[in-house]
Amino acid sequence: KAGVTQTPRYLIKTRGQQVTLSCSPISGHRSVSWYQQTPGQGLQFLFEYFSETQRNKGNFPGRFSGRQFSNSRSEMNVSTLELGDSALYLCASSLGGAGTDTQYFGPGTRLTVL
Amino acid sequence: EDQVTQSPEALRLQEGESSSLNCSYTVSGLRGLFWYRQDPGKGPEFLFTLYSAGEEKEKERLKATLTKKESFLHITAPKPEDSATYLCAVRTNRDDKIIFGKGTRLHILP
Repeated sequence: KAGVTQTPRYLIKTRGQQVTLSCSPISGHRSVSWYQQTPGQGLQFLFEYFSETQRNKGNFPGRFSGRQFSNSRSEMNVSTLELGDSALYLCASSLGGAGTDTQYFGPGTRLTVL
Repeated sequence: EDQVTQSPEALRLQEGESSSLNCSYTVSGLRGLFWYRQDPGKGPEFLFTLYSAGEEKEKERLKATLTKKESFLHITAPKPEDSATYLCAVRTNRDDKIIFGKGTRLHILP
């Protein structure tokens, strides 16, 4: 069974630009969560989608948004990029049926903002 | 406020030297506690899920245990390939969010 895939793997942008990251979950998984990982803050929860609806949201500004499609694939968008947005963005998928579902992570997208 | 704290931040062991990593949590209600391993430049790799106090799970040289306040990841006779960052996370009853600890960087010397 294929794992979680994320594209692109690496991205370089400049301040003020916007970026869209993509995540394809494990086949059969209906929940997709997004995380930001930085050396100082560790892994921080961005949002979770289940059946095309945002089910949960972390404490990030409105510049961070996401969506999920009917095939469970998800995209995350960051507008008006800031230097502090440089991070590893991780996507995780789970079956989504219950709050105790185990999440399986993709390899991440390394975003560098110059 | 819900919190997850991992200790130590970093740990260096000789090959074969057993030890334990700690994950203490303060949450309004625990739905599940998760352990992951993360290698540099990669996404976290799932290890264990624990749901209730007293539960234990094992996989090769790793054993995870859970109490009402903390979880331990015991590593027995580690090998250099066990070197990685080990992350602990909890899903809370209050808002169903997942909170990660900052991790323990484990380095096993040959």
